[in-house]
Amino acid sequence: GQQVMQIPQYQHVQEGEDFTTYCNSSTTLSNIQWYKQRPGGHPVFLIQLVKSGEVKKQKRLTFQFGEAKKNSSLHITATQTTDVGTYFCAPFGGTSYGKLTFGQGTILTVHP
Amino acid sequence: GAGVSQTPSNKVTEKGKYVELRCDPISGHTALYWYRQSLGQGPEFLIYFQGTGAADDSGLPNDRFFAVRPEGSVSTLKIQRTERGDSAVYLCASSPYVEGTQYFGPGTRLTVL
Repeated sequence: GQQVMQIPQYQHVQEGEDFTTYCNSSTTLSNIQWYKQRPGGHPVFLIQLVKSGEVKKQKRLTFQFGEAKKNSSLHITATQTTDVGTYFCAPFGGTSYGKLTFGQGTILTVHP
Repeated sequence: GAGVSQTPSNKVTEKGKYVELRCDPISGHTALYWYRQSLGQGPEFLIYFQGTGAADDSGLPNDRFFAVRPEGSVSTLKIQRTERGDSAVYLCASSPYVEGTQYFGPGTRLTVL
């Protein structure tokens, strides 16, 4: 499968601050998906990005897929305590057909 | 509707024992996936089924691990001669078709003493 590296590994923010996590690959990705896992929970699908340079928004969340399809980012504006959890990117499709290859994740904590 | 369910939610066993972990996918989902998640890591792919057949089992770590889905619905992950290193959360996911959105179950936490 396609390997990705996520940075940072941990991020601590004050409520109301912004947060960004990055997902980088050395190879071109077919698609990429983002998941959120709350503490003690299971991964929950957030979004899939397919096109080069694609930008998608979900309320305070903005997802981007790089022009070269080798990197992606998730940006959260004005974090809330409900945003706490681990955010994973996962290449999908292409050589990863049928299976998700998760990054290590970014653990976000939000201090009220 | 009902999501993916997994039983048991927790399983504690002794080294060398055999265990079975069960997954009930969302009704009508043809694709079913097994992942394993160790503490502090992302889920790691094990195997996926399209219908009754294992389409890709490249993630199974060795021949102690085996999974079946005889009727194209419920799946069982079987681990023989368990080792302490098998301790992890085993996640099951299903999707309506192979490249569709995967919906995860709550997982089975396996502890091998």
